[in-house]
Amino acid sequence: AQSVAQPEDQVNVAEGNPLTVKCTYSVSGNPYLFWYVQYPNRGLQFLLKYITGDNLVKGSYGFEAEFNKSQTSFHLKKPSALVSDSALYFCAVRDTNTGNQFYFGTGTSLTVIP
Amino acid sequence: GAVVSQHPSWVICKSGTSVKIECRSLDFQATTMFWYRQFPKQSLMLMATSNEGSKATYEQGVEKDKFLINHASLTLSTLTVTSAHPEDSSFYICSARDLGTAANYGYTFGSGTRLTVV
Repeated sequence: AQSVAQPEDQVNVAEGNPLTVKCTYSVSGNPYLFWYVQYPNRGLQFLLKYITGDNLVKGSYGFEAEFNKSQTSFHLKKPSALVSDSALYFCAVRDTNTGNQFYFGTGTSLTVIP
Repeated sequence: GAVVSQHPSWVICKSGTSVKIECRSLDFQATTMFWYRQFPKQSLMLMATSNEGSKATYEQGVEKDKFLINHASLTLSTLTVTSAHPEDSSFYICSARDLGTAANYGYTFGSGTRLTVV
């Protein structure tokens, strides 16, 4: 079965420090992996994706993520957190075997402390 | 880039009434749109896949007679919550696939609709 796990409901980090939001996945085929950010009462905004190629992908607003096939992980990272990065972050996977459906993680609430 | 417009952004309705939510692809045609539901502090759950010109495909446990989906054109899908009850209060988000957009591999999300049933 396809699934995405975000083990941390809440991540707190001081402004200027590096941040990591964790994500692991399980799919039957090759995964397409995504990170989205959601601000209160707003839809999802695309941050970055991994389809193929380099395991380290760079996305919007200085975020990056590393695809690790052996650990089935796709952790989101940023070298220096900003207060404005505080939001809800979702990891998602599309299973190439099953077509168009996205499977979302439960979300991680990131709070950057000034 | 691809834009999906969702309307209204918020709505309050009385129990027993029906509410229609629109999802429009503004600058591309979408043969397929997706409707999600999100409870507070929870993830998005796919409700149904809306297919232009044909019946929607509902996920297990979603009442198709309660959540009516119409995808009459390549740029518009509507979700109607019929005979709404307070437990239908939620955040509804649509998504559409733009085959011409490489950035997010073709999927764009609307800004969501906050439904409150009183």
